[in-house]
Amino acid sequence: QKEVEQDPGPLSVPEGAIVSLNCTYSNSAFQYFMWYRQYSRKGPELLMYTYSSGNKEDGRFTAQVDKSSKYISLFIRDSQPSDSATYLCALSAEVGNNRLAFGKGNQVVVIP
Amino acid sequence: ETGVTQTPRHLVMGMTNKKSLKCEQHLGHNAMYWYKQSAKKPLELMFVYSLEERVENNSVPSRFSPECPNSSHLFLHLHTLQPEDSALYLCASSQRGSDEQYFGPGTRLTVT
Repeated sequence: QKEVEQDPGPLSVPEGAIVSLNCTYSNSAFQYFMWYRQYSRKGPELLMYTYSSGNKEDGRFTAQVDKSSKYISLFIRDSQPSDSATYLCALSAEVGNNRLAFGKGNQVVVIP
Repeated sequence: ETGVTQTPRHLVMGMTNKKSLKCEQHLGHNAMYWYKQSAKKPLELMFVYSLEERVENNSVPSRFSPECPNSSHLFLHLHTLQPEDSALYLCASSQRGSDEQYFGPGTRLTVT
């Protein structure tokens, strides 16, 4: 079983829709959860970082963690064409141990 | 230059060639990473350097040889590569003890 499962998509949504992305994981040792956004021909950039179950909001983005179900989600409200990118989840078992487990990435296309 | 830079951005090499990838970070970080990104696969951590000392070698074949002469520079020396080594090679940096990694734009490598 893979450490982190993420459906690669692609996911196409109309502008203004809510985008819902998720990852599941098998290792209960993961305690820190990140979402990266990667535009075409660019490197990933950190979007959200959380370490507790529950929701964390940052503007139009909400990261949700359910440790009991080993399930994390990213929601994008009022999606814009500029949100078209690949979104990768990344998990860490110990802060700063330099070892992040990444999902495959989920390609999102927001259609104007 | 700001952030993390990588050169070259694109590289085509034959299986008998020797080439090097260069990464430079302008963020004052003291940990640097090499990742391999292939289509439909999670990011694969290759090497980690912390305070210029290699702390992780993720079972990478010896045809990949990293070098970290100082905390701002990281190289990946390549020789006798295989076609399956074609991928996007990403460099990242962070503060030691932090999960927040900052990525460069990557080098798109094609082995013919």
